[in-house]
Amino acid sequence: DARVTQTPRHKVTEMGQEVTMRCQPILGHNTVFWYRQTMMQGLELLAYFRNRAPLDDSGMPKDRFSAEMPDATLATLKIQPSEPRDSAVYFCASGFRDRGNQPQHFGDGTRLSIL
Amino acid sequence: TQLLEQSPQFLSIQEGENLTVYCNSSSVFSSLQWYRQEPGEGPVLLVTVVTGGEVKKLKRLTFQFGDARKDSSLHITAAQPGDTGLYLCAGAGAGGTSYGKLTFGQGTILTVHP
Repeated sequence: DARVTQTPRHKVTEMGQEVTMRCQPILGHNTVFWYRQTMMQGLELLAYFRNRAPLDDSGMPKDRFSAEMPDATLATLKIQPSEPRDSAVYFCASGFRDRGNQPQHFGDGTRLSIL
Repeated sequence: TQLLEQSPQFLSIQEGENLTVYCNSSSVFSSLQWYRQEPGEGPVLLVTVVTGGEVKKLKRLTFQFGDARKDSSLHITAAQPGDTGLYLCAGAGAGGTSYGKLTFGQGTILTVHP
């Protein structure tokens, strides 16, 4: 089965450091989503790409977060500088936007801890 | 902003019991998806309901979409320990830039004791 691949699976770093999370969407999918999951807030949408173009990043703190898709096989989410409140599990998901009601396929996440 | 209220937040039951999880919103969704998430993994789709009033069954799980497409429920019959996990409902945006976006409920953590 095709899967969304996320790296790294775990990241522990100190406050102020840059963090880069990577995602390889399922081949052929034309939408990519970045989510953040915490116990308090649940799953929050951070950014949404279609055909590599950003469609919506309103859920993302713009001053420190950035999301890009350098090519169709790679999506990145960067935090600079990182803060303890950024500690969470970050999920990438991919799917087909042009097929209504199709599921999103999630990776297994990056568990981020900022000390 | 579309919101989905999911309840209960926690559910702890004995094997063999029945349970229902609810998802409610004041917004209309084009479809409602239910996901299950296990520790250390991403959510995995269980089912998508599209038509108002639609009922879908997946073994012991029954999913229903409200007539007005604003609410949904998940009913599990004779729960088993293997059903333990986090259950998430997600509403799909109806159009424009919302098309393809999902709004997730807070989730229900289900624990089924042997």
